Amino acid sequence: EDKVVQSPLSLVVHEGDTVTLNCSYEVTNFRSLLWYKQEKKAPTFLFMLTSSGIEKKSGRLSSILDKKELFSILNITATQTGDSAIYLCAVVKGTPLVFGKGTRLSVIA
Amino acid sequence: NAGVTQTPKFRVLKTGQSMTLLCAQDMNHEYMYWYRQDPGMGLRLIHYSVGEGTTAKGEVPDGYNVSRLKKQNFLLGLESAAPSQTSVYFCASRANLAGVTTGELFFGEGSRLTVL
Repeated sequence: EDKVVQSPLSLVVHEGDTVTLNCSYEVTNFRSLLWYKQEKKAPTFLFMLTSSGIEKKSGRLSSILDKKELFSILNITATQTGDSAIYLCAVVKGTPLVFGKGTRLSVIA
Repeated sequence: NAGVTQTPKFRVLKTGQSMTLLCAQDMNHEYMYWYRQDPGMGLRLIHYSVGEGTTAKGEVPDGYNVSRLKKQNFLLGLESAAPSQTSVYFCASRANLAGVTTGELFFGEGSRLTVL
């Protein structure tokens, strides 16, 4: 059975901290891994990772994929209260996607 | 620039009632999906479609039916609603990029359904 496991499930940090969110997977027919941020409504796209070892970066957020060890991490540096959200990891395996349960990040001032 | 539109956004039903959620996308995407999201459970796939006239079951299909009569629309039906179907429902679509399905999902704003 396909599995995508995110850790931790929830996290509370102070503004300015650096956080690392984890996503491990056991999925047949892996195509790519996606990261999304969900605030109040629909998830918004952050990154798509297909190749191992290549870092994707956008401002204070970065992500990397390890296809040998079957995991990805999402790093957020210098966190701000606006980073408070649920972060979702999804693995594309052909047509369906398998989502993890998400990590709820709370950033307090 | 609508993207993915879901209607209705909110609905309250009584147990046993039926209803249909409509998802429309204007990006000419081949793939469409219905997910439900419950606290602590992430997004769980209900049904999906790889093209007009085709549908397939996802992880939690029981109690739901779907139809994709037109490429741009994907309907989710509840024939006899149950309290366990209280949830937030998200529709999403994705392009099939030259036969390589690695593309990003585009989500609708969500539909909050409460079954009493």
